[in-house]
Amino acid sequence: EIVMTQSPATLSVSPGEVATLSCRASQSVGSNLAWYQQKPGQAPRLLIYGAFTRATGIPARFSGSGSGTEFTLTISSLQSEDFAVYYCQQYNKWPPIIFGQGTKLEIK
Amino acid sequence: QVTLRESGPALVKPTQTLSLTCTFSGFSLSTSGMCVSWIRQPPGKALEWLALIDWDDEKYYSTSLKTRLTISKDNSKNQVVLTMTNLDPVDTGTYYCARIRTAGSHFGTFDYWGQGTLVTVSS
Repeated sequence: EIVMTQSPATLSVSPGEVATLSCRASQSVGSNLAWYQQKPGQAPRLLIYGAFTRATGIPARFSGSGSGTEFTLTISSLQSEDFAVYYCQQYNKWPPIIFGQGTKLEIK
Repeated sequence: QVTLRESGPALVKPTQTLSLTCTFSGFSLSTSGMCVSWIRQPPGKALEWLALIDWDDEKYYSTSLKTRLTISKDNSKNQVVLTMTNLDPVDTGTYYCARIRTAGSHFGTFDYWGQGTLVTVSS
């Protein structure tokens, strides 16, 4: 079973700056990697699929990159509404469907 | 417009069986490629995938929980039901249902989610 590891667990960044979140897969998942954003009390929301394609309505400041086992979610010019928990999910081989353990992006 | 909504008991006693219903609209689970999945989240913790049922009535379960889970669907009611047996306090958390497809531009990802339902396991 593929293991998804996200780092760091918590990231403190000031508004207006850039946040870089990482996700590593224990084996190659190709480009079959998604990112979700979850705000307190809300369901997760799909941000990125195919490693770099933004889902409908997602602002351009969110960008994804990577392939194989190493992936990055970059959020440029952080807005107040971007502070949340972010999860990666692989869908190269599923089921089972595997999420990372999440990165909490907090205001510095 | 695709929507999903979870329903079920908010409080369950240890060793009891939990039954949750996902009622959805805006798509048909008899359409090729459509699937509905259950995901849970203990308070303050990460998402955990539980089970999936597809348009062809194929069912898939979390390896660690498969002996306790059963997923089923009723296409006429647009509902998916998850049952979990032998509940324990560690099963406390928010339970979500979500749509996932096996084909299309973002196959394999959860594109629509319910708002979640909090289940507490306590005596």
